[in-house]
This record gives sequence, structure tokens and C-alpha cells, in this order.
Amino acid sequence: DVKVTQSSRYLVKRTGEKVFLECVQDMDHENMFWYRQDPGLGLRLIYFSYDVKMKEKGDIPEGYSVSREKKERFSLILESASTNQTSMYLCASSRGRPSGANVLTFGAGSRLTVL
Amino acid sequence: AQRVTQPEKLLSVFKGAPVELKCNYSYSGSPELFWYVQYSRQRLQLLLRHISRESIKGFTADLNKGETSFHLKKPFAQEEDSAMYYCALSEGTSYGKLTFGQGTILTVHP
Repeated sequence: DVKVTQSSRYLVKRTGEKVFLECVQDMDHENMFWYRQDPGLGLRLIYFSYDVKMKEKGDIPEGYSVSREKKERFSLILESASTNQTSMYLCASSRGRPSGANVLTFGAGSRLTVL
Repeated sequence: AQRVTQPEKLLSVFKGAPVELKCNYSYSGSPELFWYVQYSRQRLQLLLRHISRESIKGFTADLNKGETSFHLKKPFAQEEDSAMYYCALSEGTSYGKLTFGQGTILTVHP
């Protein structure tokens, strides 16, 4: 029944390491998103994609990049991890416009700790 | 830029008491508003959206454009309502791009 799968539930990385967070959805959704979830700050959008090979910056894209080579897969990349990127990362997907675009289906989350 | 504010980080009530989770927004256009919920050890999921005008799990929310608010209400809280609640706003023309509030942790005591 799992529809949005995030490959890693928990990761521990060192400062300066390159980190890949993978997300796969099986609902044939056009839109995919990466948010980070921090206590007291809520969810903040990092990047989103509305089509294969398309990407748009969200509110906090600095220090991150993304890749969407296939419709079902959306990867978040931290080129050089820093301690302030320690967080819970949530992947989500939604159908294309006009209907259903705002009904997001979320993954279970990837908790990243950068030492 | 649009903004969503949930003024209460924590909210505690007793079972059977009414509960109201506050949400205020700032946006110049016609937004679409949502409440998402995350129960313990579960995924974040949609609870309700203002255009549906429906009651989900006994919760309702009315969009008040004059006060720019979208408060979530339930007349009789249950212990299973304990969760993190997020209010979210969509500009309406975006590709599902939502702006979320800071979240409110609701605890319902027996």
C-alpha cells in the first residue's frame, strides 16, 4: 500500500560528505516535492518538480540540488553536508493541475544527522 | 509573499472538551487552504481542504477571508486526535506548491 517510498529512514553523515536522498512514487504523479521539517519552523519547501527533468527552487534551496530523470523518482542531493542540514526530510507527490495538485501524498521521511 | 501562522505551538485539552487550532494567513489573492495532520509514527496526510466544505473525523474549518483565518475546530476532542497539525496555503496557480505553518501539537488528555 506504500505509495511514496523514501529509500533511507535514518542517515548519519559527516560534514563535507555528499548525501543522496532518494524518493520513488508509484502513483504516476506529475509533481514531486522535497520539504524539510524542523520543530518550530514547520515544513519548508526545498525544491519541487512538475515534470521529468524539470525543477524549481522552493523557499530554501541553498546547499541542495535535485534530479528527476524519471517520472517516478526524485532525488535530493546535498553536495557538501553541513551540520545545519541536520533535519527530517519529507518527499511528497501530487497529481498535475488543475485538480489534485494540492493534495500531497507524503513519504515516511528521512532523518539526516550531520556530524 | 504568502505566509501561514499557527500561533500555538502546543495545545492541551481534556477528552470531550472543544478544541480550536488557530491558523492565520497573509496572501493577497484567492488562496486554497488545507489542514494536514501527522499522528505518532505515521506519515503526514491531508485532513481537510476548505473547498470541500466537509467534516473529517469530526473536524471542520471555515475560511474567513475578512479575518484571513482558517481555524480548525472540533466540538468534542478524542484521545486519538492527539497529533501534529499543520495549516497550509496554496496560491491556486502553483503546481501543488504549499506554504505550511509552524505546526501545532495537540494533546488530548483522558
